Amino acid sequence: QKEVEQNSGPLSVPEGAIASLNCTYSDRGSQSFFWYRQYSGKSPELIMSIYSNGDKEDGRFTAQLNKASQYVSLLIRDSQPSDSATYLCAVNPGAASGTYKYIFGTGTRLKVLA
Amino acid sequence: EAGVVQSPRYKIIEKKQPVAFWCNPISGHNTLYWYLQNLGQGPELLIRYENEEAVDDSQLPKDRFSAERLKGVDSTLKIQPAELGDSAVYLCASSYDSGTDTQYFGPGTRLTVL
Repeated sequence: QKEVEQNSGPLSVPEGAIASLNCTYSDRGSQSFFWYRQYSGKSPELIMSIYSNGDKEDGRFTAQLNKASQYVSLLIRDSQPSDSATYLCAVNPGAASGTYKYIFGTGTRLKVLA
Repeated sequence: EAGVVQSPRYKIIEKKQPVAFWCNPISGHNTLYWYLQNLGQGPELLIRYENEEAVDDSQLPKDRFSAERLKGVDSTLKIQPAELGDSAVYLCASSYDSGTDTQYFGPGTRLTVL
């Protein structure tokens, strides 16, 4: 089992719809969670970080964390063609595991259709 | 505030040649990371520095890869000799510390080994 799993996609949604991206992780003691957006040929760009169970909203983006079920999701409301990119989930196991490094999923490719 | 700076942006070399990549982190960031990203995959950590100390180099292929961060600021990653399979994007990231802190990525160096 991979440590951080994402559906590679592509996930296609029409413009204006809600895009839902999911990520599961294996290390139950993981402490911090991040969503990065990566356009083709570019480096990852941070969108959201989340550390506590529940929802965290920032503009059109909402991150959801459920540590009991070991998943983290990203919702993008009112999706725009400019949101078309690969979304990387990163998990930092942190002090509980003695590991302070991000573990990335393979990313989900999102396509927003105009 | 300037972001993470990397050079060169692109490098094409013949196999068995040496190559070096340079990274200057965000000012004040103590932790520096080198990642490798293959096409369609998430970044994979090669080495993590806390100031000038390499605290996690378990994924660095030490027979051909080396890295240094002599003064705890900028860093160099070297491959000697390069192999065809080393063709990838090499990303540098930095964070204030390696606890739960966010990592910020540089633009990357795209290496092509012919």
